[in-house]
Amino acid sequence: DQQVKQNSPSLSVQEGRISILNCDYTNSMFDYFLWYKKYPAEGPTFLISISSIKDKNEDGRFTVFLNKSAKHLSLHIVPSQPGDSAVYFCAATYNNNDMRFGAGTRLTVKP
Amino acid sequence: KAGVTQTPRYLIKTRGQQVTLSCSPISGHRSVSWYQQTPGQGLQFLFEYFSETQRNKGNFPGRFSGRQFSNSRSEMNVSTLELGDSALYLCASSLAKYQETQYFGPGTRLLVL
Repeated sequence: DQQVKQNSPSLSVQEGRISILNCDYTNSMFDYFLWYKKYPAEGPTFLISISSIKDKNEDGRFTVFLNKSAKHLSLHIVPSQPGDSAVYFCAATYNNNDMRFGAGTRLTVKP
Repeated sequence: KAGVTQTPRYLIKTRGQQVTLSCSPISGHRSVSWYQQTPGQGLQFLFEYFSETQRNKGNFPGRFSGRQFSNSRSEMNVSTLELGDSALYLCASSLAKYQETQYFGPGTRLLVL
């Protein structure tokens, strides 16, 4: 039961442009959402999160948007840098339930 | 502060064998979660332990089990290994509450031949 879906397995973007990674979820109970970044041979690292009481959270070049009615969130990276090339996972949770992850999107930022 | 550590980093087993993986969380963290990562499947939740008790469990067969010790270190065990168990197994720790950020270890890559 894939409650969190990242439908794009890969994304390629030119350096300096915007990267937009998308994530959809099916469980309306989710009220806390996170993005993690994963480099090869390393565990995922936390990037940014958003609570369902907000529709936007910004941290430097990274902004997460949440559309609760559409059960959709997106991560914007502006401007994209080659060091941003990694696999990005979105995750969702509520109460003390387990965190559900998407399948990941591999972002490649070309110089 | 030391990060989450996992041992071993790499492991090769044959079908039918059993394996035990270890995870040491960040000092002070009481919650430990285990995930299986396979290509195209993302991170699949296995189970979560909090204060030595299993608090949540994912949709995996009973061959997958775990435990947590009083010092919050955790182990997961997979019995009767199958080829499909080949994956990266990640452990993550957090302080306690569900909105706490999880910190991941580097993972144990298991290959079943």
